[in-house]
Amino acid sequence: GQQLNQSPQSMFIQEGEDVSMNCTSSSIFNTWLWYKQDPGEGPVLLIALYKAGELTSNGRLTAQFGITRKDSFLNISASIPSDVGIYFCAGQLMVDDKIIFGKGTRLHILP
Amino acid sequence: DAGVTQSPTHLIKTRGQQVTLRCSPKSGHDTVSWYQQALGQGPQFIFQYYEEEERQRGNFPDRFSGHQFPNYSSELNVNALLLGDSALYLCASSLGTGADNEQFFGPGTRLTVL
Repeated sequence: GQQLNQSPQSMFIQEGEDVSMNCTSSSIFNTWLWYKQDPGEGPVLLIALYKAGELTSNGRLTAQFGITRKDSFLNISASIPSDVGIYFCAGQLMVDDKIIFGKGTRLHILP
Repeated sequence: DAGVTQSPTHLIKTRGQQVTLRCSPKSGHDTVSWYQQALGQGPQFIFQYYEEEERQRGNFPDRFSGHQFPNYSSELNVNALLLGDSALYLCASSLGTGADNEQFFGPGTRLTVL
């Protein structure tokens, strides 16, 4: 079945460092979404991408919709303690419009 | 303006039992989607309800069923519970059904099957 490969699975960084994570698939998507989930809460949408090649920013976050429509990345610049959490990519499949999620990237910030 | 609310917060059931989970969408939203999130995994789409009809369904067996009421609230029912049904069940609401309609997630219901 279709799946999203999200990497890395976890990251340990120092405050102030930049972060990069990505999702890849063999399937083609017409929408890419990036979410953050904090403990005890549901995911919250960070960035939505609707066109191949699109590069979108939301504050310190930047995400891109891959030109092949099969991948996307999320960058976080100058990380701060509140960036700790689990980041999920999600894509809407072109074949049937269903949304599938990656397994998440768990971000840890070292004191 | 209340966001998406779900009840109960936690639930413990035994194998073979049936469970009903409830979701109230964000004010003004007409579409409700349900997801299952196993520990350490991303959410998996179960189904989506719009205008009281199941509009789209993921790869879940018929033991998983749902309903949407005229006030747009929704229920998820799971029959003949299995140990593997233990997960966080998330409800998300949106105005409209497309992926370009932002989904707002509730905090989830943690189901434990013993």
